[in-house]
This record gives sequence, C-alpha cells and structure tokens, in this order.
Amino acid sequence: DAGITQSPRHKVTETGTPVTLRCHQTENHRYMYWYRQDPGHGLRLIHYSYGVKDTDKGEVSDGYSVSRSKTEDFLLTLESATSSQTSVYFCAISDQTGGSYNEQFFGPGTRLTVL
Amino acid sequence: AQSVTQLGSHVSVSEGALVLLRCNYSSSVPPYLFWYVQYPNQGLQLLLKYTSAATLVKGINGFEAEFKKSETSFHLTKPSAHMSDAAEYFCAAGGTSYGKLTFGQGTILTVHP
Repeated sequence: DAGITQSPRHKVTETGTPVTLRCHQTENHRYMYWYRQDPGHGLRLIHYSYGVKDTDKGEVSDGYSVSRSKTEDFLLTLESATSSQTSVYFCAISDQTGGSYNEQFFGPGTRLTVL
Repeated sequence: AQSVTQLGSHVSVSEGALVLLRCNYSSSVPPYLFWYVQYPNQGLQLLLKYTSAATLVKGINGFEAEFKKSETSFHLTKPSAHMSDAAEYFCAAGGTSYGKLTFGQGTILTVHP
C-alpha cells in the first residue's frame, strides 16, 4: 500500500470554526490532491498540488484553502466551517513515468461533521 | 469539460452471476480511464486502468473492462460475483492535466447469497 496517512480520521466541529486536515505521504510523489465524497456525487476535486508551494483550484474549491510547504505534506483548511462542508475528505497522490501520469493512490479518509 | 456517467447507482446480483457495471465518458480525446473500488469505511483502491495499450484491460480480483471508443464506454465486468465483491465502484477519467481525475457518481454493488 502507498504510504499515505490522513489526520485526524474523524472530527466534529461547530459552524464558524477553522479546521485543518493533514495529508502526509512517504512516497515522494510530486502530485497531491484533496477530494470530498458525498452520496450521489462521487468524488469531487477541491484543490491539487503539482509541487512544493504549487497549488491550484479544483471543481469545488469555494470555502477551502490549501498549502504545501514540503513534498510530503498537503494541508486542507476550512477557514470557517459550514454545515455544507460535512463530508468525507480523501487525499490522493500520484506521479509521472515517462511523461505520462500514473494512477492515483488514496488515503484512508477523514470524516468531518460540522454542527 | 470532461464528464463521467455511471448508469445505475445500485446494482444487485446473486452470488455466481455476471457483474456488469456501466461507465460512459465524454471527451474528444480518449482519456486515461480507471475503475476504483471502495469497501465500507476505507479509501479507494485501484481495480484497473486503461492507458491505450490494449482495449481489454484485466484487473485485480477477476475484474476486467473493455474500452470502446465508438461507444465512449468503459464497462466493468466479472463473470462470477462473490460475496466479497460487495462494495462501491467508481469509474474515473482524466490523468492528462496534472493527473487530475473526474469521477462518476459511483455504483453500489450488492451480492445476494
């Protein structure tokens, strides 16, 4: 299994509070992604990173920010959590071989509940 | 923009029966295509991937998928379902722009004894 961990694994918070989720990898992969999973929507990309300090928005980035100061860590921050951000959050990593992108490997997920 | 459609949010089969999970993608350029499986309370695990080397792709646990360009489809099949196949399955397309993927809505597979 790819070395990807997410912390915390479960979190309950209140509306309006800041929340930071951490993704840590030991594979030295260049690309990292944050997704949210909601019933009926599959996985939707929030933000992604293509290198240290290189990040960009995904499909559902409103209300979220990210940072990547080291290759191994990718942080997702909810500046002021809302109930609509209650979801399961997955981190994924990937790399390139010969100019082609490889498959993504996923972390175990973080279940976030915003009351 | 790329989109992926999985027909049927729930599929139910009997143990030993054929499993067929449908996936269609929209793209003018055939993308990379993937099937992932998610067991309860776990992350996603890669089942198989299509990267233009062969149209019939074999994956883990006896699953395979066939890429049909004319139908823009990448359906997942398994000849004989096992109870342990019960899970949610996701089709995904992309991988050509920073490796980003677009996922389908997911199909929950139930296997009855």
